[in-house]
Amino acid sequence: DTGVSQDPRHKITKRGQNVTFRCDPISEHNRLYWYRQTLGQGPEFLTYFQNEAQLEKSRLLSDRFSAERPKGSFSTLEIQRTEQGDSAMYLCASSPPQGRTIEQFFGPGTRLTVL
Amino acid sequence: GQNIDQPTEMTATEGAIVQINCTYQTSGFNGLFWYQQHAGEAPTFLSYNVLDGLEEKGRFSSFLSRSKGYSYLLLKELQMKDSASYLCAPVSGAGSYQLTFGKGTKLSVIP
Repeated sequence: DTGVSQDPRHKITKRGQNVTFRCDPISEHNRLYWYRQTLGQGPEFLTYFQNEAQLEKSRLLSDRFSAERPKGSFSTLEIQRTEQGDSAMYLCASSPPQGRTIEQFFGPGTRLTVL
Repeated sequence: GQNIDQPTEMTATEGAIVQINCTYQTSGFNGLFWYQQHAGEAPTFLSYNVLDGLEEKGRFSSFLSRSKGYSYLLLKELQMKDSASYLCAPVSGAGSYQLTFGKGTKLSVIP
């Protein structure tokens, strides 16, 4: 247990529905990342927050995806109008302020299945 | 862009030594991580190399050659619990330090 928590751990939804995932990073970590991992692949970067500011977004993050970190603590990732191709493990990671380690600590992930 | 290459699968015997290689091409290089990932679980940190050379940590060691775009992870005295995927991840970007993962090497440790 790294101290990063994600909720829910599993989500099954029907195509076209909206889903929202939550990530609670380690409390003193101001950097937060979202990744997506499909079977047999490594995690792929989606987006990065420093405090409440979303500073980087991957081209993988289509306009159906939105992420927020309103108070610089927990973050949410919403997928609108889900598609079967969105089925994946969604991983959140956090890292302490620059100047300390740049190691990223991963949460247990949310496994999304779109039927 | 990023291009990361590591073997898809490896098999080794309990108690033996195994070396997992990783080659990469990346822009804005800021070091390289190795993570371990058991099936269905999140990646966990193993090592981070930013300078050339060998970093040793218990049974695990990691080597980096920046000029060759090459790293390896060395696992000694293999145990059954070491059966997992091992992910090579160069770090790019001076701001975000985002990780770009390879597909991972699935290591199977057999008795």
